[in-house]
Amino acid sequence: GAVVSQHPSWVICKSGTSVKIECRSLDFQATTMFWYRQFPKQSLMLMATSNEGSKATYEQGVEKDKFLINHASLTLSTLTVTSAHPEDSSFYICSAKDRLSGNTIYFGEGSWLTVV
Amino acid sequence: LAKTTQPISMDSYEGQEVNITCSHNNIATNDYITWYQQFPSQGPRFIIQGYKTKVTNEVASLFIPADRKSSTLSLPRVSLSDTAVYYCLVGDTGRRALTFGSGTRLQVQP
Repeated sequence: GAVVSQHPSWVICKSGTSVKIECRSLDFQATTMFWYRQFPKQSLMLMATSNEGSKATYEQGVEKDKFLINHASLTLSTLTVTSAHPEDSSFYICSAKDRLSGNTIYFGEGSWLTVV
Repeated sequence: LAKTTQPISMDSYEGQEVNITCSHNNIATNDYITWYQQFPSQGPRFIIQGYKTKVTNEVASLFIPADRKSSTLSLPRVSLSDTAVYYCLVGDTGRRALTFGSGTRLQVQP
């Protein structure tokens, strides 16, 4: 199957700083990527839909100025958590849809963010 | 968006067949049914996808009745490594992101 890679796998940052997480589709082009967050023992929660070359669409309750999403190319989307706080600590997961093959969405390995 | 309902948890033993059923009463015409497996601290892994009838691949089978209001993921002869959370997702991925329900936590015992 198609491969979606995230980097870094885990990151620790200090409160008030910003951290960037990258999501790459390695063997396909993705006009659309999705960002989720997941707290321990809970399901994935959709944060935003990232469209190549245009602004991201955020889910209700997700602050667009805090979670900056950039989708500058067909293989890369980035999520930047700005002015991070301990409550932003979570598992962030991206997914991507192959623009050529319809209906299957593939997920990255996830990125653990710990804010101290 | 089609809402899905799955059992919260299931227990099984190694070598048994496990069937996990998901109900999605308000599935739309363009919606596909996709199942993912997730291990702790990993992203969901694609298992199988279908639109109607039966789909089979090397790891699982997916049974979808004619009315498409439910689907059953069948895992043949599970092993300890199949212990994971299984999510049933329904949607038209050409238009919208997939929304996750609570999933089914499968525990396989020796």
